Amino acid sequence: DAKTTQPTSMDCAEGRAANLPCNHSTISGNEYVYWYRQIHSQGPQYIIHGLKNNETNEMASLIITEDRKSSTLILPHATLRDTAVYYCIVRPPWNRDDKIIFGKGTRLHILP
Amino acid sequence: GAVVSQHPSWVICKSGTSVKIECRSLDFQATTMFWYRQFPKQSLMLMATSNEGSKATYEQGVEKDKFLINHASLTLSTLTVTSAHPEDSSFYICSARRGAGADTQYFGPGTRLTVL
Repeated sequence: DAKTTQPTSMDCAEGRAANLPCNHSTISGNEYVYWYRQIHSQGPQYIIHGLKNNETNEMASLIITEDRKSSTLILPHATLRDTAVYYCIVRPPWNRDDKIIFGKGTRLHILP
Repeated sequence: GAVVSQHPSWVICKSGTSVKIECRSLDFQATTMFWYRQFPKQSLMLMATSNEGSKATYEQGVEKDKFLINHASLTLSTLTVTSAHPEDSSFYICSARRGAGADTQYFGPGTRLTVL
């Protein structure tokens, strides 16, 4: 698997956009970028994923650079409920035995 | 999105007893299910991968005789912690995946196990 690098922690003011960076400089051509988050004492929650193009859903936007070596997850209007650990994961298309290995993620604190 | 449930959400047991945790995919058939363990302030650690109808594949360092995994149907996997000890106290999380392709892995809410 391509490795990812994320900041250990970040703060963001409530109501502002939270921009979480992820570096994945060794990503391969067929590997997707996935984002999950884990709110304290809950299971991880899927947020979004993408391959080359930018993606947007009801939760967030994913911006992937043209060279695909980095990406940014954007929470457009952060709320206190967005306080969580955010994991950036790079994965090839799923095969039968593929699995998600979690790194340490970014601990995002939304400040009131 | 797809829903994965776990039962129980928390359990307290005495040292030496066995505990079974269930993981169900509620609105899809899961060809593959995964079990993770998470200690306080640490990331999730993958324990094993289980495919329906076949034996689970355990990660290095995980004792297969202690953590018994059964994936008898496309919607149910169970993890049994046998002869539990206080060091097995942890947050156990399962996840499920529908099939091949760029599909998504969905996670359960987790089970908090406390062994006294």
